[in-house]
Amino acid sequence: ETGVTQSPTHLIKTRGQQVTLRCSSQSGHNTVSWYQQALGQGPQFIFQYYREEENGRGNFPPRFSGLQFPNYSSELNVNALLLGDSALYLCASSLDGLAGSNTGELFFGEGSRLTVL
Amino acid sequence: KQEVTQIPAALSVPEGENLVLNCSFTDSAIYNLQWFRQDPGKGLTSLLLIQSSQREQTSGRLNASLDKSSGRSTLYIAASQPGDSATYLCAVGGAQKLVFGQGTRLTINP
Repeated sequence: ETGVTQSPTHLIKTRGQQVTLRCSSQSGHNTVSWYQQALGQGPQFIFQYYREEENGRGNFPPRFSGLQFPNYSSELNVNALLLGDSALYLCASSLDGLAGSNTGELFFGEGSRLTVL
Repeated sequence: KQEVTQIPAALSVPEGENLVLNCSFTDSAIYNLQWFRQDPGKGLTSLLLIQSSQREQTSGRLNASLDKSSGRSTLYIAASQPGDSATYLCAVGGAQKLVFGQGTRLTINP
């Protein structure tokens, strides 16, 4: 059984650029969530995907968007990068039998560290 | 809006001590509560998950309790070791998402 894997592990971008982060969910998991963790803070929920549809969104602007693929892997896209987008981006997978519920345990990847200059 | 608070923000203790980390939340309508460990620059490792209908969970030297009525959870670490040094995060599970506290940075001194 493979765990959650994310790529790339580190990347540097400049303001205004676009970035795509990737996540492979744990084997058998059909739900992927993305979180942003600024330095010294707890992670903040960005959005969740269940069966290729967005299934909940936190307080993030539309320039944060995502996709989930039929194999349950996922992408997080951020357009028009700002300095404040510098953070660790965490992907988590879980197995949810019902859309809109979150009774299961979340398993996180190692994260993608984004630096915006 | 759910808010999660962890106290203390940092804790330093000598090796071998038993210790308690605290987590409080404002809305008792939760699905579950999860404790995580985070090493510097790394992702989150799940330690314990307590469903809303449960009162506690144990794994090895770790024991987590949940009191929904008072909006509190504690993580008890027995016989602490230097390898336990990390940031410990509490997260409350609602619909679709987890709401995290800011964490307690724990240092165990040999």
